Amino acid sequence: GNSVTQMEGPVTLSEEAFLTINCTYTATGYPSLFWYVQYPGEGLQLLLKATKADDKGSNKGFEATYRKETTSFHLEKGSVQVSDSAVYFCALSFDQFYFGTGTSLTVIP
Amino acid sequence: GAVVSQHPSRVICKSGTSVKIECRSLDFQATTMFWYRQFPKQSLMLMATSNEGSKATYEQGVEKDKFLINHASLTLSTLTVTSAHPEDSSFYICSGRGGGELFFGEGSRLTVL
Repeated sequence: GNSVTQMEGPVTLSEEAFLTINCTYTATGYPSLFWYVQYPGEGLQLLLKATKADDKGSNKGFEATYRKETTSFHLEKGSVQVSDSAVYFCALSFDQFYFGTGTSLTVIP
Repeated sequence: GAVVSQHPSRVICKSGTSVKIECRSLDFQATTMFWYRQFPKQSLMLMATSNEGSKATYEQGVEKDKFLINHASLTLSTLTVTSAHPEDSSFYICSGRGGGELFFGEGSRLTVL
């Protein structure tokens, strides 16, 4: 079946630290991959996506590369800010979306 | 990007009453919308897939008579929580699919007293 596994949180980082949130997937085929972000009390917003192997999605300093050989789509940011504090969801899509459990990130000044 | 508007954002109701949540796609036509439920500090649980002009498809374990979904037009889907009880208190999120992406509403926090 199709599924997404995300690293468990919560993650707490100091401002300007490097961020990695691991995401691996299991899929019967080649799905599109997404990262969504949820700020406190809000719905989800698309952060970035990649639709095929070796694609790199990027937005707001965040990046993730679609790695077919390792079935991974790890989220990275070189220097996090307090405003990045949120819950991050990895997802894959075929006919429907499959979400990971979410990783809570808190960035402290 | 596309916009999905959800209303109300917060609602408090008494046990036994019904509550309707609206989900509108503002700048695209969504033949399919999805309703999720999110418990505190947990992931999204897909409740049902709402198809314009036809019956919704419910996920296993979701009571279709309690969570009524109507998708009357290409831009509007509604979720009605009937005879709400405190255990129905949760954050409900809708989404519409457009161009291969999912666009989410802002979410509705339901509190049943």
